[in-house]
Amino acid sequence: AQSVTQPDIHITVSEGASLELRCNYSYGATPYLFWYVQSPGQGLQLLLKYFSGDTLVQGIKGFEAEFKRSQSSFNLRKPSVHWSDAAEYFCAVGAGNNDMRFGAGTRLTVKP
Amino acid sequence: ETGVTQSPTHLIKTRGQQVTLRCSSQSGHNTVSWYQQALGQGPQFIFQYYREEENGRGNFPPRFSGLQFPNYSSELNVNALELDDSALYLCASSYRRSGTSGSYNEQFFGPGTRLTVL
Repeated sequence: AQSVTQPDIHITVSEGASLELRCNYSYGATPYLFWYVQSPGQGLQLLLKYFSGDTLVQGIKGFEAEFKRSQSSFNLRKPSVHWSDAAEYFCAVGAGNNDMRFGAGTRLTVKP
Repeated sequence: ETGVTQSPTHLIKTRGQQVTLRCSSQSGHNTVSWYQQALGQGPQFIFQYYREEENGRGNFPPRFSGLQFPNYSSELNVNALELDDSALYLCASSYRRSGTSGSYNEQFFGPGTRLTVL
């Protein structure tokens, strides 16, 4: 069955520091992968997606992610974190039956 | 361009009652998906509607049902509410070309409806 694992429940980084959020997926075919961000009381906003092609994907707000098939990973990165990046981040995989499977999320705290 | 809207924002019900949540899709979108997000968890897919028909369903019992209207807006109905139904319910709309899988198009999410079951 398709699944997504986000190993880190909570990450704290200092403003200006680099960030990497981990995502591992389990899916039999070529996956369709997504990263979403959710601020408190808000819906989900798409940061970036991977369908095929170049394995390094650029997204909004300076985020990027790299698809590594050999490691079944799709980690999200940002070179310099801003205080406004504090939020919950979800990795998701497009699965069969027209659904998307989300990970449990990683909460990002940014220290001043 | 109007984004995805959901109503109501918050709702409190008691166990055994029935609830209807509403979603207006983004202009130009023809597909609506519903998700349940329990506290501290990621969203879980409930079902998707395309052209007024259910087009995929997650692992939710039949007391979760839905409708899609000709204007592509949608309703989520939950009967016989249980305490565990307390969650944020998210609606997402997308545009699906005929013959493609709706799951893999960008989904635009609404702000959600917070349902509390007492």
